Amino acid sequence: QKEVEQNSGPLSVPEGAIASLNCTYSDRGSQSFFWYRQYSGKSPELIMFIYSNGDKEDGRFTAQLNKASQYVSLLIRDSQPSDSATYLCAVNRAGYSTLTFGKGTMLLVSP
Amino acid sequence: GAVVSQHPSWVICKSGTSVKIECRSLDFQATTMFWYRQFPKQSLMLMATSNEGSKATYEQGVEKDKFLINHASLTLSTLTVTSAHPEDSSFYICSAPLAGGLTDTQYFGPGTRLTVL
Repeated sequence: QKEVEQNSGPLSVPEGAIASLNCTYSDRGSQSFFWYRQYSGKSPELIMFIYSNGDKEDGRFTAQLNKASQYVSLLIRDSQPSDSATYLCAVNRAGYSTLTFGKGTMLLVSP
Repeated sequence: GAVVSQHPSWVICKSGTSVKIECRSLDFQATTMFWYRQFPKQSLMLMATSNEGSKATYEQGVEKDKFLINHASLTLSTLTVTSAHPEDSSFYICSAPLAGGLTDTQYFGPGTRLTVL
């Protein structure tokens, strides 16, 4: 069973802090790793993806991938109350579009 | 990013009726689309993979005769919930992958909230 694990949270951080969201995966054949944000009652929206070991930055967001440890994370700098949402980690295998999702981590950013 | 639309955004129907939900990729073509269902405070559940010009692939436990999927063109997939019952009330979301470089990136539609009375 290929699994993607996330801490369900909630992860509470004060406004302006760095939020760190973590994800582990079991399938070593996983190739690409995605972070989606889902506000309550809305559909997921893509934040960013990563497929090479190391860091990838996009604005306030940084994705980190360590394939040896089967670990991917998302850092949100200068967290804002509008970042409060559930963050979904998803992975796919090479050549496949199908994503395996984690259950998501709820992030709460307090003013 | 790519745009995926869904219609309707919400629907209320009586028990026993059928409901059709449309999913369109607006600015790209998609030979594959995915249909998910999400109950309140639960995670996304993949229901089926829609394949243009061929039969859909259903996940284990999803009744293919109840959830009819048609992928008639490269930009349109439809999900029909037949003989809907209150337990089918849920948030239905489609997604379409946009090919690019090393990986396909899935973009989600805004979802359709179905309430069966």
